[in-house]
Amino acid sequence: DIQLTQSPSFLSASVGDRVTITCRASQGINNYLAWYQQRPGKAPKLLIYTASTLQSGVPSRFSGSGSGTEFFLTINSLQPEDFVTYYCQQRKSYPITFGQGTRLEMK
Amino acid sequence: EVQLVEIGGGLVQSGGSLTLSCVGSGFSLGSHWMSWVRQAPGKGLEWVASIRQDGGETLYVDSVKGRFTVARDNAKNSVFLMMTSLRPEDTAMYYCARLLGDVTIYDYWGQGTLVTVSS
Repeated sequence: DIQLTQSPSFLSASVGDRVTITCRASQGINNYLAWYQQRPGKAPKLLIYTASTLQSGVPSRFSGSGSGTEFFLTINSLQPEDFVTYYCQQRKSYPITFGQGTRLEMK
Repeated sequence: EVQLVEIGGGLVQSGGSLTLSCVGSGFSLGSHWMSWVRQAPGKGLEWVASIRQDGGETLYVDSVKGRFTVARDNAKNSVFLMMTSLRPEDTAMYYCARLLGDVTIYDYWGQGTLVTVSS
């Protein structure tokens, strides 16, 4: 199984900051990586797929990059509604796996 | 508007069975692979099962193989997860999710249904 490790698990930042979350895969997954945002008590929401393609309707302050085993989710100019949890997901092979999550907290 | 609604969750004893249903609207469910993804309380996301458009291919995470069965009824725009021999570690919110085309990325999710397995 492909393991995904996100870092950090918790991230403290302020409104207006730029932050980057890293997702590392245990083996190469080309660019078969997606990022999701999850608000408390809600279902995940797709933000980015194929490592860097922004899903329709997602604000442009979100961006993704990377390939192979190392991927990044960057959020520019943090807004109050961005302080939630983020997950990466690989689709290179089954079983589909997710990272453990990164909780973004307001400083 | 695309919507997915899960029903069927509840409290069940260890060793018991439960069937979850997911009804889609606003799109043709029969045109998409569909999946079930679960989330234990306070934990991360775990893929559980997927089913091809025609139901001819199903995939499962190892921990549920032989206990869970995913099925679909495209005429009713519905997907099901039949769970047997339930264990306390199956306790989770179960989400139904639609795959983006033939790519295993989930562009629409239901609100989830909670399954609690008591020991």
